[in-house]
Amino acid sequence: QVQLVESGGGVVHPGRSLRLSCAASGFPFNSYPMHWVRQAPGKGPEWVAFISYDGRFKKYADSVQGRFTISRDNSKNTVGLQMNTLEPEDTAVYFCAKAYGDYFQDWGQGTLVTVSS
Amino acid sequence: EIVLTQSPATLSLSPGERATLSCRASQSVSSYLAWYQQKPGQAPRLLIYDASNKAPGVPDRFSGSGSGTDFTLTISSLEPEDFAVYYCQQRHKWPPLTFGGGTKVEIK
Repeated sequence: QVQLVESGGGVVHPGRSLRLSCAASGFPFNSYPMHWVRQAPGKGPEWVAFISYDGRFKKYADSVQGRFTISRDNSKNTVGLQMNTLEPEDTAVYFCAKAYGDYFQDWGQGTLVTVSS
Repeated sequence: EIVLTQSPATLSLSPGERATLSCRASQSVSSYLAWYQQKPGQAPRLLIYDASNKAPGVPDRFSGSGSGTDFTLTISSLEPEDFAVYYCQQRHKWPPLTFGGGTKVEIK
């Protein structure tokens, strides 16, 4: 079965960086686009970033454009999110999600990122 | 950016009752709308995609309808495990992919 396991979350000061990773298994990873979606405490989900199955195409939400970078390693079945210049508003649970026609078919359990001084 | 507005914010119902949830888009999204269920401490779960298609394993009591700007998620007879928050999401025009603000279905 599909399994997505995020890691790398934690507490970080504003302006600092953090890198999240998502390990995928149970499906042909190199055939599927992937997304990162975040959810601030008590709020609804917010789409963050997309990467095509081969890593050639990437898209970002305006709120993270220029600060976050999505990447993937199809040899290791992982997708990453490099987050720079973090802001308190980036505090959220970050989920990686397997795409299904630009919907989110399968999700990981999430990793919490807290940006606070 | 396409804004999705869900109503009501909270729906208080008893098990066995019918639930009708609404999602309205700020512009047409054709049929490119999905519904998700989220329980506390869990990731969202895809229920319905392309307005009316059920994801694998979704019970028959869940159904979706609508097109253009107005969509409905119906739960025909609420089971105890259906009390949760429900979100709609559009994929017609992106980036960004956008979600609605959610409807909480709570036990009356």
